[in-house]
Amino acid sequence: NAGVTQTPKFQVLKTGQSMTLQCAQDMNHNSMYWYRQDPGMGLRLIYYSASEGTTDKGEVPNGYNVSRLNKREFSLRLESAAPSQTSVYFCASSEAGFLIYGYTFGSGTRLTVV
Amino acid sequence: DQQVKQNSPSLSVQEGRISILNCDYTNSMFDYFLWYKKYPAEGPTFLISISSIKDKNEDGRFTVFLNKSAKHLSLHIVPSQPGDSAVYFCAASDDEKLTFGTGTRLTIIP
Repeated sequence: NAGVTQTPKFQVLKTGQSMTLQCAQDMNHNSMYWYRQDPGMGLRLIYYSASEGTTDKGEVPNGYNVSRLNKREFSLRLESAAPSQTSVYFCASSEAGFLIYGYTFGSGTRLTVV
Repeated sequence: DQQVKQNSPSLSVQEGRISILNCDYTNSMFDYFLWYKKYPAEGPTFLISISSIKDKNEDGRFTVFLNKSAKHLSLHIVPSQPGDSAVYFCAASDDEKLTFGTGTRLTIIP
């Protein structure tokens, strides 16, 4: 039972490089989310997708783009990476009733921008 | 503007004793609250939740208390076990999105 799978687990980028973080879930959930975790800041929402074909900005969307490719996959793209984007990125998914059962998170992607 | 705050970055508790983790919020529109547990190099995992129409929810060793007038919730773990050592995040929702606190690192001392 894979749940939410994120790739890659680790990545080092140079300033200005681009990359896409991949996320896939096998629970048939409608909603998917991207969060970043920084020391002392907790988890902050970057973008979310309430259903296939829709995406919305969260608290910290600047410098990122997302694609909800299908119901399973939700990718996060950094077009021109900056050191301020060094963080741990988590993808999550949820279904109706998530307030009772919570989100299911992936294991994270640790990104360093040098 | 941190809408969900966990003012204690860390907490150490003796094994077998009670662990109490606290969380404060400012948005009175929040109507559901959740606690997550996170081990190093893993994603957060859901622990327990509570609706704003309740003041207590219990699940085994874990109990969450909600004081709406004080905009405060707490997680009680009794008895504390070594496997409870982790970072705990509280989260709140007023729609389909969750707003997380900054986390409290709980260390259980054997």
